Amino acid sequence: DAGVTQSPTHLIKTRGQQVTLRCSPKSGHDTVSWYQQALGQGPQFIFQYYEEEERQRGNFPDRFSGHQFPNYSSELNVNALLLGDSALYLCASSFTWNTEAFFGQGTRLTVV
Amino acid sequence: GENVEQHPSTLSVQEGDSAVIKCTYSDSASNYFPWYKQELGKRPQLIIDIRSNVGEKKDQRIAVTLNKTAKHFSLHITETQPEDSAVYFCAAIPSGDTNAGKSTFGDGTTLTVKP
Repeated sequence: DAGVTQSPTHLIKTRGQQVTLRCSPKSGHDTVSWYQQALGQGPQFIFQYYEEEERQRGNFPDRFSGHQFPNYSSELNVNALLLGDSALYLCASSFTWNTEAFFGQGTRLTVV
Repeated sequence: GENVEQHPSTLSVQEGDSAVIKCTYSDSASNYFPWYKQELGKRPQLIIDIRSNVGEKKDQRIAVTLNKTAKHFSLHITETQPEDSAVYFCAAIPSGDTNAGKSTFGDGTTLTVKP
């Protein structure tokens, strides 16, 4: 089991562009959560997907959207990128919402 | 929504000493409290967790205590070693109809263990 994998590992985008980040959950996990981690801060909850639906959402604008596929993998899309969107984006998978979550290695997004 | 405060933000101890990190939360619906260790450039990894029906949990040198009444929980590391140096995050996860599964993390504690 490769655990939680994310792609790409690093990404540089220009302000105003759109980006898609991908996450494959750990085998047996059905829930994927996405987080934004700014330097020196804790992960901030963006949203959580279960059974291909967004079941919870944090305080992030509609520019942030996601999707979960039948194989439980997930995508995070960010439109109209701002400089402030530069951060490490982490996904975590778990079996339902209140069990041990395993994190991926993250995608470092830089907006210039 | 939930608010999690974590203290201290930095902690430096001598090898062999104990380290204690404290977190408080605001949402009484929170009932799952994991702790993560994040080494520089690496992913957060779960080191221990506790549920609201338990007051204390221990795993070798690591223990977590929970006081539901006061809404705070603490991480205790005994006999610290240099490899314990990392950033530690606490989190609170509520149950219920409204915010179930919506994790809130503390801002982290940078622990340095000096040899």
